Amino acid sequence: QVHLVESGGGVVQPGKSLRLSCEASGFNFNAYDMHWVRQAPGRGLEWVAAIWHDGSNKYYLDGRFTISRDNSKKTVYLQMNSLSVDDTAVYYCAGSLHGSTWYILDSWGQGTLVAVSS
Amino acid sequence: IQVTQSPSSLSASIGDRVTISCRTSQSVGDYLNWYQQKPGVAPKLLISSASSLRNGVPPRFSGSRSGTDFTLTISSLHPEDFATYFCQQGHLAPFTFGPGTRVDI
Repeated sequence: QVHLVESGGGVVQPGKSLRLSCEASGFNFNAYDMHWVRQAPGRGLEWVAAIWHDGSNKYYLDGRFTISRDNSKKTVYLQMNSLSVDDTAVYYCAGSLHGSTWYILDSWGQGTLVAVSS
Repeated sequence: IQVTQSPSSLSASIGDRVTISCRTSQSVGDYLNWYQQKPGVAPKLLISSASSLRNGVPPRFSGSRSGTDFTLTISSLHPEDFATYFCQQGHLAPFTFGPGTRVDI
């Protein structure tokens, strides 16, 4: 049973940094590419970043964010810097099987809320 | 790659046939997925690669493609289908989602 649990969200002031974590269980984490997708309140989904199964490639929507992973801990991270109110959202981690289907986000966590406010 | 969806919302009744459209700004081949999301819950993958129904998804859901136009069809709306539906292109990163289509009673 695939299980993804995000943590690290909370209230943060504009200009500050925050690191989100997503711990995986129930599947072969080493075979999965991992993504972060966010959803601002009342808005649609926005893909934020992705990292390949072995960490060899990373992709971003925004240069202020850094994605990383520790396969020994089955955890993926999202370091977010210079946060603004526009970054307020629920942040989901999602997984996709590495390879030709890496664009298919078939597993999702429950999300963690990041609120940027002074 | 820009992704648009239409309509942004629709009202339908139980048993109705519903179609939702998604268009990409350039060819993405079949690299297009559909997700369903209910309030307060993570999205759920329904259809991948334009027309492949995921395991456990009822066969009343189907997807099709014509060039850069994609369609999600619900053949007969069930009560649990009232939700918001998003398409997502996976041809090029950054992957992009459509703005969503809300299906209301």
